[in-house]
Amino acid sequence: EDKVVQSPLSLVVHEGDTVTLNCSYEVTNFRSLLWYKQEKKAPTFLFMLTSSGIEKKSGRLSSILDKKELFSILNITATQTGDSAIYLCAVDPSGNTGKLIFGQGTTLQVKP
Amino acid sequence: NAGVTQTPKFQVLKTGQSMTLQCAQDMNHNSMYWYRQDPGMGLRLIYYSASEGTTDKGEVPNGYNVSRLNKREFSLRLESAAPSQTSVYFCASSENAAYTQYFGPGTRLTVL
Repeated sequence: EDKVVQSPLSLVVHEGDTVTLNCSYEVTNFRSLLWYKQEKKAPTFLFMLTSSGIEKKSGRLSSILDKKELFSILNITATQTGDSAIYLCAVDPSGNTGKLIFGQGTTLQVKP
Repeated sequence: NAGVTQTPKFQVLKTGQSMTLQCAQDMNHNSMYWYRQDPGMGLRLIYYSASEGTTDKGEVPNGYNVSRLNKREFSLRLESAAPSQTSVYFCASSENAAYTQYFGPGTRLTVL
């Protein structure tokens, strides 16, 4: 059975800290891995990682994909209170249906 | 450009009642999806429509039906609501099945 597991499930840090969120997966096929940020409402897209793009960076956020060890990490440096959110990892196992498999999510709280 | 819109935002039903959740997108996307989000379980795919005129089951389709009314609209129907269907429902769309999914603001449904 395909599955995606995120850790930790929750995390509390202080502003300025660096955090690392983990996502491991077991799927029969793999096309891409996606990271989303969910604040109060809709998840918003952060990164997509594929075999041809295993490292992405945007400002203080960066992510890498290890296809051999079947995991991805999301790093946030110099955290701010606005980074407080649920971070969702999803894997697309097929590439032609859009049937994403999501992990449970990591709830990050950044304290002032 | 509103992106993905959902109605209603909130709904309370009694067990056995029926209702339809509406979703529309104005991005000319071909693929649309319905997810549910429960605490500690991430998002789970209920149904999806890879293109206009097609629909298919996701991970948790039991108790739901869908209609892809046209390219813009994708509705989710609960024929006989049950307390186990209490959840937050998200609609999403993507240009095609292999592309990034964009989410609507969600509908919070409570079944008493």
